[in-house]
Amino acid sequence: DAGVIQSPRHEVTEMGQEVTLRCKPISGHNSLFWYRQTMMRGLELLIYFNNNVPIDDSGMPEDRFSAKMPNASFSTLKIQPSEPRDSAVYFCASTRATLAGLTGELFFGEGSRLTVL
Amino acid sequence: GQQVMQIPQYQHVQEGEDFTTYCNSSTTLSNIQWYKQRPGGHPVFLIQLVKSGEVKKQKRLTFQFGEAKKNSSLHITATQTTDVGTYFCAGRNQFYFGTGTSLTVIP
Repeated sequence: DAGVIQSPRHEVTEMGQEVTLRCKPISGHNSLFWYRQTMMRGLELLIYFNNNVPIDDSGMPEDRFSAKMPNASFSTLKIQPSEPRDSAVYFCASTRATLAGLTGELFFGEGSRLTVL
Repeated sequence: GQQVMQIPQYQHVQEGEDFTTYCNSSTTLSNIQWYKQRPGGHPVFLIQLVKSGEVKKQKRLTFQFGEAKKNSSLHITATQTTDVGTYFCAGRNQFYFGTGTSLTVIP
């Protein structure tokens, strides 16, 4: 089975440009997470969707960041305008949530490495 | 924000030595998960602990959940070079990851 698929794997852009990162969760998973990883801040949760609905976006840094999940098989994380401090590896992860809550493991994609010059 | 802290942040060991990383939460956790991330890779699930005082083993890895369900540990016996990577705990409904412990194994 295909795992979580992220694109692009690498992105180099200039400050001020718009960046869109994409994620396809594992089929059948109904919860999707976006994380950002840097040396300084570790693995930070940005936003979490359940059944395509954003549940917790308290980790989204600021208004420049937005995330959408138009359907169960696709999500985007957009940064507009991008800044050098946004340089990081962005991971998408998915799992299956039940009425009792999240109890399963998170499956991570291979990440999108973003460099903003 | 994150309320799960891990110590140490870095650990260098000689191959064959033991290694332990500790995870501490400021609040009681319903359960805790451990993940391993190889250099340049993505986090991969290792195990989940649910019960107070639970101990689980995977070959040379021993995982423990504290009695108060506020702390956990991962112990590796006789480290090997394949153990290199960063080990994360995740609590608070698995959303929030600890700061991680980066393990280097010197051959």
